[in-house]
Amino acid sequence: GENVEQHPSTLSVQEGDSAVIKCTYSDSASNYFPWYKQELGKGPQLIIDIRSNVGEKKDQRIAVTLNKTAKHFSLHITETQPEDSAVYFCAASRPGGSYIPTFGRGTSLIVHP
Amino acid sequence: DAGVIQSPRHEVTEMGQEVTLRCKPISGHDYLFWYRQTMMRGLELLIYFNNNVPIDDSGMPEDRFSAKMPNASFSTLKIQPSEPRDSAVYFCASSPPGLGYNEQFFGPGTRLTVL
Repeated sequence: GENVEQHPSTLSVQEGDSAVIKCTYSDSASNYFPWYKQELGKGPQLIIDIRSNVGEKKDQRIAVTLNKTAKHFSLHITETQPEDSAVYFCAASRPGGSYIPTFGRGTSLIVHP
Repeated sequence: DAGVIQSPRHEVTEMGQEVTLRCKPISGHDYLFWYRQTMMRGLELLIYFNNNVPIDDSGMPEDRFSAKMPNASFSTLKIQPSEPRDSAVYFCASSPPGLGYNEQFFGPGTRLTVL
């Protein structure tokens, strides 16, 4: 089955800095890569996703990149703000059913004001 | 829509007791997922349903865990008997119908503590 590795497990940055979270996956058939943000006391919420026919996708201060050859993808947050502090999960899924994702272990991002 | 609803939000019980967690998915969604989150193991998929039918329960840790979905608007996850190692946050999530890149909508979770 799919295996998703996520690094780092904890990331501490100053407000205004950039933050990068990296993930690798094992199943070359995976073609959908969502990123979820989990705020304290809440369930994860989708913030951005990318499909394998695209190498990069941006949404305001958030961007995701995908390298299919190397089987890794990354989340980039620019101009970080304290409200970006949360746990971020990457995931990978392959065609079939409801594209059931395999999640990474999560990255706790702390943005210091 | 109110989103995915879970109850209770917090549950404290003693070892050996039966625990029932409840979930109401978003109306119109036909996939329902149960996850368990712990520091040690991260976010684990326990079981998922499609149109009220269990599709994959390979993530259910052992026979003490069972899940049902009697109708499109309700699902339960039961642990009997409960053990301290079951302490975790349990999430329910639902997805809309159709093959493709479907977002999972998570509920707020139930924090279970087994003493």
